[in-house]
Amino acid sequence: ETGVTQTPRHLVMGMTNKKSLKCEQHLGHNAMYWYKQSAKKPLELMFVYNFKEQTENNSVPSRFSPECPNSSHLFLHLHTLQPEDSALYLCASSQDSKGNIQYFGAGTRLSVL
Amino acid sequence: GEDVEQSLFLSVREGDSSVINCTYTDSSSTYLYWYKQEPGAGLQLLTYIFSNMDMKQDQRLTVLLNKKDKHLSLRIADTQTGDSAIYFCAESTRAGGTSYGKLTFGQGTILTVHP
Repeated sequence: ETGVTQTPRHLVMGMTNKKSLKCEQHLGHNAMYWYKQSAKKPLELMFVYNFKEQTENNSVPSRFSPECPNSSHLFLHLHTLQPEDSALYLCASSQDSKGNIQYFGAGTRLSVL
Repeated sequence: GEDVEQSLFLSVREGDSSVINCTYTDSSSTYLYWYKQEPGAGLQLLTYIFSNMDMKQDQRLTVLLNKKDKHLSLRIADTQTGDSAIYFCAESTRAGGTSYGKLTFGQGTILTVHP
C-alpha cells in the first residue's frame, strides 16, 4: 500500500463512451501526476497538478480531460477514446512541486474497444 | 533531451546476485531512482540516490552511481523468486522554467528468477 489509490483497477469502454478514472492520495502531498504506460514504451507523463493547478500538459489529446478538485484527488475524464489509448494509466503524487520522489498508485488497466 | 536506457531482460538463478544496469544522458539529474513493477501492479519505489552520492545500500539492495559515465546500477543480493518483476530506472531533473521535477523513465528490465 503506497498511500495512492486508483479506481477502477480495470475498465473496458467503447469508443463513444464517457468514463472517469479516479486517484486519491492519503500522503498529504501537494503535487499529483497522470502517466500512461503502453506496452514496449517508457512511461509517458501526461499531466501535472501542483496545489490544484495544472502546471504541465504534455501534448495530450483533448479526449483526455484532467480535473483536480483538491490536493488529494485527481480525475481523468475520458471521452471518444481510440483503441490505441488502451494502456495502464498510473497516478502518482509527490510532497512538493519539486516532484523529486513520486509515489505511484496501482494503476487502471484501460481497454478501448 | 533526457534519455534513460536499460537492457530489456535479465535472468538469474535463485540465490544469485542480480545486477541491473542503466545509463542516462542528463548530467543535471538531481535524483536517480529504482522502481519495481510486479504483474498487474503499479510502480513501487524501491530506492533512490541523490546525485552527489556514489553508493547507497539498503538491506539486499545496493545502488551504485558513476556520474562520470552516467551509469546507475541496482544489485540485488540473494535474489528470490519474489524479486521477479520489471525494474525501472528513472532520473529527475529540474526542467528549465517548470515548477516541478520531471521524471524520465527507462523502458524497464524484466528480471526473471529461476528456482
